[in-house]
Amino acid sequence: EVQLVQSGAEVKKPGESLMISCETFEYTFDNFWIGWVRQVPGKGLEWMGMIYPRDSDGRYNPSFQGQIVLSVDKSTATTYLQFYSLKASDTAMYYCARHKGAGYCSGVNCWGFEVLDVWGQGTMVTVS
Amino acid sequence: EIVLTQSPGTLSLSPGERATLSCKVSQSISRTYLAWFQQKPGHSPRLLIYSASKRAAGVPERFSGSASGTDFRGSGTDFTLTIDRLESEDFAVYFCHQSRASPWTFGQGTKVEVK
Repeated sequence: EVQLVQSGAEVKKPGESLMISCETFEYTFDNFWIGWVRQVPGKGLEWMGMIYPRDSDGRYNPSFQGQIVLSVDKSTATTYLQFYSLKASDTAMYYCARHKGAGYCSGVNCWGFEVLDVWGQGTMVTVS
Repeated sequence: EIVLTQSPGTLSLSPGERATLSCKVSQSISRTYLAWFQQKPGHSPRLLIYSASKRAAGVPERFSGSASGTDFRGSGTDFTLTIDRLESEDFAVYFCHQSRASPWTFGQGTKVEVK
């Protein structure tokens, strides 16, 4: 069974950095883009960005560009979401999710990706 | 950025009734890139419908997705999620989502609650 297992909840202070992880199981890690989605408590879903493990090609939502960086460790089939300098407004649940299939990207834009079909359980980040 | 507008914000229904949820997209997109998710409190979003009308594995047949007013390529702006004969486990928040053009976006959600 395909699974994405995320690291545990974090409590941090403003200005600190943070890296959370998403370990994947039971599929070929290299072949599928992994996306990250933010959900502020009680609010909707926001796509932050995604990364292609085969070549570490990362694509970002302009709203999050410069605030986060995505990376991978192919030896452990794990994707990471790193925050440079946390703010109170970063308090949220963060989900990783796998894209069922890829479209294409050119420059900063991407088109025609298949759905986010498998999701991690989420990592709650509290900044206070 | 493609904007998805869901309506209504809240749907108050009784078990056994039909729920009809709307998702309007700010520009025409292929039905291939429209999905619906269900989210219950304390849980991750769960994929219900992809490509506008295909049920994900394990999703009951009472869930169906459709698109209206699509052109010959299957592109359009109006998408619907229907839940026939609501069961107790269906009361949740539902989001539509597009992955046609980055940044991918989600609707703001429709909460289906017990009347």
